[in-house]
Amino acid sequence: GQNIDQPTEMTATEGAIVQINCTYQTSGFNGLFWYQQHAGEAPTFLSYNVLDGLEEKGRFSSFLSRSKGYSYLLLKELQMKDSASYLCAVTSGGATNKLIFGTGTLLAVQP
Amino acid sequence: ETGVTQTPRHLVMGMTNKKSLKCEQHLGHNAMYWYKQSAKKPLELMFVYNFKEQTENNSVPSRFSPECPNSSHLFLHLHTLQPEDSALYLCASSLSREISGNTIYFGEGSWLTVV
Repeated sequence: GQNIDQPTEMTATEGAIVQINCTYQTSGFNGLFWYQQHAGEAPTFLSYNVLDGLEEKGRFSSFLSRSKGYSYLLLKELQMKDSASYLCAVTSGGATNKLIFGTGTLLAVQP
Repeated sequence: ETGVTQTPRHLVMGMTNKKSLKCEQHLGHNAMYWYKQSAKKPLELMFVYNFKEQTENNSVPSRFSPECPNSSHLFLHLHTLQPEDSALYLCASSLSREISGNTIYFGEGSWLTVV
């Protein structure tokens, strides 16, 4: 079966660093995505990892370990506008190539 | 603006009503998707269409009926829904079924309330 786990909620302070973890079990892994979703808005793409290691993109970085079924999203220099849900998703391969989501982590950035 | 437009943004319907959700993408994509997002639950994939053909039905009840007349438009026809069907319904599209990188785009969703 397929299973994706991430914390339900996190709180952090403006200017700080926060790490959001995601563990997954899936068959035919083809890559892991992180999306940001503000309340009432569409999920927007943040990052994609298919190989082990760290991908850095400005204030956001994403790490993947395929052997451990583990990823994290690192947000630096937090801003109030970073308050949102962060969705971890994996693709399962084969003919279907579906995008399967976790429940999302609701991040609250406080002053 | 993601290039995927959903209407209506908000819909309230009774359990005996028939209504439809509409999705249109202006990206030239060939694959389109319906997802359901309920409170405190993961986004659930409902249907996948590739070149207008349905390739995935994720055990969705028949009270949800999708229609894809062309690669740019996707509908979700709703009838005799239940209160537990109240959720955010998200449409998405991608150039092909091969999803990698920044290749899947979501609409802003249609908030459905069944009373």
